[in-house]
Amino acid sequence: QKEVEQDPGPLSVPEGAIVSLNCTYSNSAFQYFMWYRQYSRKGPELLMYTYSSGNKEDGRFTAQVDKSSKYISLFIRDSQPSDSATYLCAFDGLTFGKGTHLIIQP
Amino acid sequence: EAEVAQSPRYKITEKSQAVAFWCDPISGHATLYWYRQILGQGPELLVQFQDESVVDDSQLPKDRFSAERLKGVDSTLKIQPAELGDSAMYLCASSSQGGHEQYFGPGTRLTVT
Repeated sequence: QKEVEQDPGPLSVPEGAIVSLNCTYSNSAFQYFMWYRQYSRKGPELLMYTYSSGNKEDGRFTAQVDKSSKYISLFIRDSQPSDSATYLCAFDGLTFGKGTHLIIQP
Repeated sequence: EAEVAQSPRYKITEKSQAVAFWCDPISGHATLYWYRQILGQGPELLVQFQDESVVDDSQLPKDRFSAERLKGVDSTLKIQPAELGDSAMYLCASSSQGGHEQYFGPGTRLTVT
């Protein structure tokens, strides 16, 4: 079993839709959960950071962590074409998923 | 806004040649990371520095890769000799001491021909 599983996509949704991005993990020792956004040919940019189960909201973004199920999610409300990018989940800052390529259609 | 600087942004080299990448972290950040990101994959940690000391280089192919951070500020990653499989994006990141939030530079895209 891989340490982190993330569907690479592409995931294509219309503008304004709610987007759900997910990762599962196997290492129960992970304590910190991050989501990064990476535009093409750029470095990753930290979007959300949390260390507890539950929800954390920041503007249009909500990060959700379920430690019992070893599952994390990122929700994007009112999606915009500028949200089109690759979204990477990360654990303890050092273990990354493969990234999900998201396309928001105008 | 403070940023992590990397150079060059792009590098094309022939296999068996030597290549070097430079990184200048955000001022005051004690921890510096080098990652390799192959197209379609997530970043993989190559080496982590705390000030000038190596904390983790377990995934660094030491027969051909070397990294240094002599004064605990900027850092250089070297590959000698380069192989075709080294073609990737090389990312540098930094974080404050004890912090888990990493800030990435723009990366160096390496193509080995």
